[in-house]
Amino acid sequence: EAGVVQSPRYKIIEKKQPVAFWCNPISGHNTLYWYRQNLGQGPELLIRYENEEAVDDSQLPKDRFSAERLKGVDSTLKIQPAELGDSAVYLCASSLGPASYEQYFGPGTRLTVT
Amino acid sequence: KNEVEQSPQNLTAQEGEFITINCSYSVGISALHWLQQHPGGGIVSLFMLSSGKKKHGRLIATINIQEKHSSLHITASHPRDSAVYICAVDASGSARQLTFGSGTQLTVLP
Repeated sequence: EAGVVQSPRYKIIEKKQPVAFWCNPISGHNTLYWYRQNLGQGPELLIRYENEEAVDDSQLPKDRFSAERLKGVDSTLKIQPAELGDSAVYLCASSLGPASYEQYFGPGTRLTVT
Repeated sequence: KNEVEQSPQNLTAQEGEFITINCSYSVGISALHWLQQHPGGGIVSLFMLSSGKKKHGRLIATINIQEKHSSLHITASHPRDSAVYICAVDASGSARQLTFGSGTQLTVLP
């Protein structure tokens, strides 16, 4: 069974440029999470989807970040414009249901903003 | 104060040693997760527990709900166990959001 797929794995951009990350969760997983992980820290939730509905986006900086999960399957996270402080690893995870179920993580996208 | 505290932050051990990583939390939880993160970012779920003890191979996880404390033990450690180990809690009534500790970097030397 394929795991959570993310692309790209690495991205280097200049500040003020836009960037997008893509995630394809495990088939059948209704819940999808986007996390941001800064160096030396644990992941922090940005947004959680139940099917196509964003049910928790309180940590998403909405002035520059946006996300969508059309058709309740794959998802895209966008930053526009990127700032130096956005450099981090962006992780996607999926689970069958809410957080009490095991979460399966993708390999992440390491973003460097110069 | 972070809701999830891990100790130690860094741990270096010799191959074969018994290893313990600790996690303390300050909120009521419905479940606690132990995760392993290898260089390159991939995270693997090791355990999810809400009481007692679980064992998988050389890994053992325990939790004491009254003391709000969990431990992850590795027996007969091996260099391939080198990774970051992260504790995360699913807080009761948290609208199903995991809160993560900052991780413990484990290095096992041959």
